Amino acid sequence: RKEVEQDPGPFNVPEGATVAFNCTYSNSASQSFFWYRQDCRKEPKLLMSVYSSGNEDGRFTAQLNRASQYISLLIRDSKLSDSATYLCVVNMGLDTGANSKLTFGKGITLSVRP
Amino acid sequence: EAQVTQNPRYLITVTGKKLTVTCSQNMNHEYMSWYRQDPGLGLRQIYYSMNVEVTDKGDVPEGYKVSRKEKRNFPLILESPSPNQTSLYFCASSLKTRTFYNEQFFGPGTRLTVL
Repeated sequence: RKEVEQDPGPFNVPEGATVAFNCTYSNSASQSFFWYRQDCRKEPKLLMSVYSSGNEDGRFTAQLNRASQYISLLIRDSKLSDSATYLCVVNMGLDTGANSKLTFGKGITLSVRP
Repeated sequence: EAQVTQNPRYLITVTGKKLTVTCSQNMNHEYMSWYRQDPGLGLRQIYYSMNVEVTDKGDVPEGYKVSRKEKRNFPLILESPSPNQTSLYFCASSLKTRTFYNEQFFGPGTRLTVL
C-alpha cells in the first residue's frame, strides 16, 4: 500500500458544483495532515491544515478519520479559480516539532468549467 | 516580503557537468528541504535540514548533496548530473516548533534538464 494515495483524476466539474477529494495514508502514527494547492507550473501552497475535529474555511471543508486513515477535502460552489491540482500531504512525524517527513500524494487535478 | 527564492529558475545542462541550485529564505526558518517533482510520481523529498550544519537524507538522495552553513541558505549540488535528474525542483522552509502543523513555504521551482 502506498504511503499516501489520492483519488485518481482528473475531475472536471461545472461552476457551482460540489466536489470531494479523498486521500488515504498507510502510517497510523502520522502526526499531521494538510491539503496543498498547486497551480500549473507553480509552487505548492498551503490550502488547509486538517485537524481531528475537522475544519472549515469558507467553501472548503477538510476532515480527518484516523480510524480509517483517510482525509477528505470538500469544495462547495466551485469557482473557475478553484482549477488547480490538490495535494494531500501527511507528516509522518519522525522528528518532534518539525515537518521533517512530509509525504505528498500525487495530486488530483480539478478543472472547473463555465 | 517573506519568501523562498531559488536560482536559477531554468537550467539546461549536459551529463557530468557539476551544478548548484541555490535556495534562500528570509523568514528565519530553521527547517529547509529539497523536493523533486516528476509526472506520475508527485513530490519526493531529496534532503532536509533541521538547522545549521544539520542535514539528513529524504526519500531520493542519490546523486545529490546539500550543505547548510548559514540558516538562510540551503544549496542543492549535483556533482555529476545525469538525464534521470531532469525534473522540477522545489526548495521549502518552515519554522521548527513543538507542533507538527508548521506550514511549509515553497520556492518558485527550478526546472532542470540534463542532456
